[in-house]
Amino acid sequence: GAGVSQSPRYKVTKRGQDVALRCDPISGHVSLYWYRQALGQGPEFLTYFNYEAQQDKSGLPNDRFSAERPEGSISTLTIQRTEQRDSAMYRCASSSTFLGEQYFGPGTRLTVT
Amino acid sequence: SQQGEEDPQALSIQEGENATMNCSYKTSINNLQWYRQNSGRGLVHLILIRSNEREKHSGRLRVTLDTSKKSSSLLITASRAADTASYFCATDERGGAQKLVFGQGTRLTINP
Repeated sequence: GAGVSQSPRYKVTKRGQDVALRCDPISGHVSLYWYRQALGQGPEFLTYFNYEAQQDKSGLPNDRFSAERPEGSISTLTIQRTEQRDSAMYRCASSSTFLGEQYFGPGTRLTVT
Repeated sequence: SQQGEEDPQALSIQEGENATMNCSYKTSINNLQWYRQNSGRGLVHLILIRSNEREKHSGRLRVTLDTSKKSSSLLITASRAADTASYFCATDERGGAQKLVFGQGTRLTINP
């Protein structure tokens, strides 16, 4: 079946603009995770959902970052008033059970100019 | 903060040799997962080992887990050029936390 998909794959935006990154998990997966990965580093946790409920948002850097998963499927990560330091690869993952294998999407490369 | 730390940071071997990478972590865990990443591309899930398991195999991969030492190892046997990639371990913290904490990875290069 289809894996995790993310869109857009690349996003270039000007400082101060808002961006919305989309994640479409594997069908039927109950949990969805957002991570951010800097070059040469492992991914860092941002937030996650079980079904539509946001369980942990402790990794969101500040209140410019928010995420939702209103129907327990597709999720959107929104960054308001983007700054250059927000430039990174944003990765989404999903799992079929709460503590199961997490399968990652291809990521969205965000560049803030 | 990072939970897992891979060792070595970089490893270069000849094709056909075995490659061993180690991971240490700090807290009690539910599971430990290993991932592969080729040249900054997608993260590919390799294997999950649960805290009550000591060893797991998948094809040419063998993973061990020692919870008393808070460490894991990934062995790739009969390495191939296509195994060239960065390898990451990731742990979740016991108590129901689902988020994964990754190490910085081991960069493996297989020389033909």
